[in-house]
Amino acid sequence: EAGVVQSPRYKIIEKKQPVAFWCNPISGHNTLYWYRQNLGQGPELLIRYENEEAVDDSQLPKDRFSAERLKGVDSTLKIQPAELGDSAVYLCASSRDRALYGYTFGSGTRLTVV
Amino acid sequence: RKEVEQDPGPFNVPEGATVAFNCTYSNSASQSFFWYRQDCRKEPKLLMSVYSSGNEDGRFTAQLNRASQYISLLIRDSKLSDSATYLCVVTSPGGNQFYFGTGTSLTVIP
Repeated sequence: EAGVVQSPRYKIIEKKQPVAFWCNPISGHNTLYWYRQNLGQGPELLIRYENEEAVDDSQLPKDRFSAERLKGVDSTLKIQPAELGDSAVYLCASSRDRALYGYTFGSGTRLTVV
Repeated sequence: RKEVEQDPGPFNVPEGATVAFNCTYSNSASQSFFWYRQDCRKEPKLLMSVYSSGNEDGRFTAQLNRASQYISLLIRDSKLSDSATYLCVVTSPGGNQFYFGTGTSLTVIP
């Protein structure tokens, strides 16, 4: 079974530029999560999808962040414009329903804003 | 108040030592509990679930104390390969939301 696939692995951009991250979840996993992990911290949820519906986006900074999962499979997270403080690792995870047995992360995208 | 609190360490222990990590959580109605392991510059990976009755997987033992609202992870006979950051995870009452601790850094020294 292929794992959660994320791209790109690394991204360096100048502040005020846009950036997008892509995630393809494990086949059959209807729930998809985007997390942000700052250095020395645990991951923090940005948005959770159940199929194509964003059911929890309370922690997503909506002034500059957006996400979509149009067909309920892969998803894109976008930042526009990026700020220096957005430098972090952006992790995608997926699970079946309520993740009673934990869920699987992708390898993440390490974003550096300069 | 944070949903989950975890001592960041670092813990530096010699090979063969026993080491224990604890995590406390704030919501008594939290449903599920896990320990994740994260290697440097890698994604977190599920290490084990934590059950009320306690559970063991080889050298690793996880325990949950609902009355005191903490979970623990015990590693016996530490190996060099155990060096990593260990993240505790607590879910919301509905199980939909995962809350991660800041992680505890472990270095096993030869």
